[in-house]
Amino acid sequence: ETGVTQSPTHLIKTRGQQVTLRCSSQSGHNTVSWYQQALGQGPQFIFQYYREEENGRGNFPPRFSGLQFPNYSSELNVNALELDDSALYLCASTPGGLAGELFFGEGSRLTVL
Amino acid sequence: AQRVTQPEKLLSVFKGAPVELKCNYSYSGSPELFWYVQYSRQRLQLLLRHISRESIKGFTADLNKGETSFHLKKPFAQEEDSAMYYCALSALYGNKLVFGAGTILRVKS
Repeated sequence: ETGVTQSPTHLIKTRGQQVTLRCSSQSGHNTVSWYQQALGQGPQFIFQYYREEENGRGNFPPRFSGLQFPNYSSELNVNALELDDSALYLCASTPGGLAGELFFGEGSRLTVL
Repeated sequence: AQRVTQPEKLLSVFKGAPVELKCNYSYSGSPELFWYVQYSRQRLQLLLRHISRESIKGFTADLNKGETSFHLKKPFAQEEDSAMYYCALSALYGNKLVFGAGTILRVKS
């Protein structure tokens, strides 16, 4: 059984640029959630995708957007990067549209200079 | 609004000593409470959830709605328990988790 995989693991961008992070869900899971984890903080919910539709969103501006594909993999896009977007971005999958037990990836660490 | 508070950033205990990691929450509806753990160099994973009422790796947690708490306990700490522990809350049948800031548990030999 393949777990949640994320790419890239690390990346550096400059303020104003755009970034795309990718996530492959665990086999059999049709729901993907994205979380932002700033240094010293717990993960914070960005949004969830269930069967290719956004199924809930946290307190993040519209420049944070996402997609889910028919194979349930997902992308997180962030436009007009700001310094405060520097964080670890975690993807998690689950078999169903509920929070339940989340299976996390190892994360993508974004640094914005 | 949903909020989870873990008052201790770091808890240091000796091997064999009892452990209690504190978690308080704020939520007006019916909550589901979870403890997630991250061991060194591993990904974040579920330790236990209140509805299952299980003991996992010797850890238990009881939901106290009167005190709005969900403290994690273990009677005898082991060195392999050293990790970062996050308490998290979800609305019943909700689609997101609200995490606390986490507590580092350090078990000394």
